[in-house]
Amino acid sequence: NAGVTQTPKFRVLKTGQSMTLLCAQDMNHEYMYWYRQDPGMGLRLIHYSVGEGTTAKGEVPDGYNVSRLKKQNFLLGLESAAPSQTSVYFCASSPGAKTSGRSGELFFGEGSRLTVL
Amino acid sequence: AQKVTQAQTEISVVEKEDVTLDCVYETRDTTYYLFWYKQPPSGELVFLIRRNSFDEQNEISGRYSWNFQKSTSSFNFTITASQVVDSAVYFCALSEIRLLTGGFKTIFGAGTRLFVKA
Repeated sequence: NAGVTQTPKFRVLKTGQSMTLLCAQDMNHEYMYWYRQDPGMGLRLIHYSVGEGTTAKGEVPDGYNVSRLKKQNFLLGLESAAPSQTSVYFCASSPGAKTSGRSGELFFGEGSRLTVL
Repeated sequence: AQKVTQAQTEISVVEKEDVTLDCVYETRDTTYYLFWYKQPPSGELVFLIRRNSFDEQNEISGRYSWNFQKSTSSFNFTITASQVVDSAVYFCALSEIRLLTGGFKTIFGAGTRLFVKA
């Protein structure tokens, strides 16, 4: 089972360039999330989605945009990359609140390491 | 406010020692979930355990055990007879239900890096 797949795994950008990170899940999960991981700060939520066609801001949304046109995909875009966006990005999905035994559990992708020069 | 504190930034032990990773949380909700995730050097995040706020039973899984105490808002994780393969960053997380929009709001602690030396 693929689970949650992120592409690309690694990317180097120059300041001001744009890019899109793609997240795909095959578990039919309702909820999807984008986190960034920085040293000593754990994982911080950038944006999330509670269903197809919906998105919402998380803890650190500035400089990012997202879209969820299909239930299985959640895209994270950087319109004008900045060095402060150098980080490891994790996509995650989770089943609905009524899914017994797994409520709240996050299923993570392998991460995408982005460097902005 | 929702908050997760992992006061131990790094812990170093010798193989076969027992080690406890601390996690203290803050929440106003009566229904919530607590998690531990492991991040080995390869970088992926691995789910270890989920505990809901109404279940204070401690749990043991092999060499791993978890102590959930609502009275002190703590959810500590103990590894018995540690092994080199336990070397990783461990994250404690708190998840609350978003009543208005659905889904869950999950916040992570800063993580504890565990080094197990042979």
